[in-house]
Amino acid sequence: AQSVTQLDSHVSVSEGTPVLLRCNYSSSYSPSLFWYVQHPNKGLQLLLKYTSAATLVKGINGFEAEFKKSETSFHLTKPSAHMSDAAEYFCVVSSTDSWGKFQFGAGTQVVVTP
Amino acid sequence: DTAVSQTPKYLVTQMGNDKSIKCEQNLGHDTMYWYKQDSKKFLKIMFSYNNKELIINETVPNRFSPKSPDKAHLNLHINSLELGDSAVYFCASSQGGSLNQPQHFGDGTRLSIL
Repeated sequence: AQSVTQLDSHVSVSEGTPVLLRCNYSSSYSPSLFWYVQHPNKGLQLLLKYTSAATLVKGINGFEAEFKKSETSFHLTKPSAHMSDAAEYFCVVSSTDSWGKFQFGAGTQVVVTP
Repeated sequence: DTAVSQTPKYLVTQMGNDKSIKCEQNLGHDTMYWYKQDSKKFLKIMFSYNNKELIINETVPNRFSPKSPDKAHLNLHINSLELGDSAVYFCASSQGGSLNQPQHFGDGTRLSIL
């Protein structure tokens, strides 16, 4: 079985300051982990993915995430927030015991203030 | 060059009606999905098809019937619409449904039941 928990439902940051979105997962097998972003009235767009290669994963738009097996975490960071980063972010896990099933976190809404 | 396209984008209809949502992908993927996103942004998988074969059928009322005429298309028909069916429905596709391959999402169909 697998599950994913996004620890913050809401994150508010000032433009130009760092962003941290926290995600913990549980999986019986080696997981693959993804972060997606959803802008208003849009579908989900892939930011980055971890699939058992390098533990520090770089994605689009300056985002990166670090896979920490010992902490079962996959937190998403960005050094400097931009107004266009205001959106909903989803952490997603899949594993070998759940073919085709991607488990989505509940989402974190990011608000960026000028 | 939309990768995953859904029609219609908005659907407003009366309770008890029957409606269909269409989805097409031009990515050459062999796995397609339907998700339901509720008002709190929570995403729940409904169905998944691999090479036109149903592989995931979650606890969805049998008023919902997916149909995949070919690998590039996955349609969703809903009978006897109820108020609780109001949501955003997302179509997605991936290659193989394997853990390493991310999903690509359409922009969603916003269904409102009056």
